[in-house]
Amino acid sequence: DQQVKQNSPSLSVQEGRISILNCDYTNSMFDYFLWYKKYPAEGPTFLISISSIKDKNEDGRFTVFLNKSAKHLSLHIVPSQPGDSAVYFCAASDGANSKLTFGKGITLSVRP
Amino acid sequence: ETGVTQTPRHLVMGMTNKKSLKCEQHLGHNAMYWYKQSAKKPLELMFVYSLEERVENNSVPSRFSPECPNSSHLFLHLHTLQPEDSALYLCASGGRGRGYTFGSGTRLTVV
Repeated sequence: DQQVKQNSPSLSVQEGRISILNCDYTNSMFDYFLWYKKYPAEGPTFLISISSIKDKNEDGRFTVFLNKSAKHLSLHIVPSQPGDSAVYFCAASDGANSKLTFGKGITLSVRP
Repeated sequence: ETGVTQTPRHLVMGMTNKKSLKCEQHLGHNAMYWYKQSAKKPLELMFVYSLEERVENNSVPSRFSPECPNSSHLFLHLHTLQPEDSALYLCASGGRGRGYTFGSGTRLTVV
């Protein structure tokens, strides 16, 4: 049973436009959410996070939105750049321990 | 360099070989993890070590044997693997705060 779901396997966006990556979760105990970015043959790198006490966190071109009632979060990248092309993993933790639960990832392609 | 170093970066081994993957972190984290990433699958958690003690083993076959001699080092010993074990093996460390720091991974090919 997947507790963190990224239902779209891929997304293609034109350079300069907005990329919106979605993530849903089922465990109501999750209270901290993260996005990781992964290039081929490399380990995932931390991108941005949000605590459940917030509904938005912004860092430069990256903004994460959290809708607790819908158990949904999204990552917005604007403007999208070709270098953003990578696999993006959504992850969540429940605070009782530091273990993260990951989604399957979504492959973002930004077309020049 | 992320603070978590994995060696080797690439490994090709036969099904009868014995090899080991190494992970090292000097971030002061007290938990270390082994993950497996196969194509088109989520990151699969294999083992969790907290303060050098294995706290989780997610039904991983015994041909994978982890070892954590101290809080900075984590090994994954490999023995009589199968071709379907070919994958990217990722080590991560995590502290009392949030999130992990991942290594660059070892791309393992079993022939």
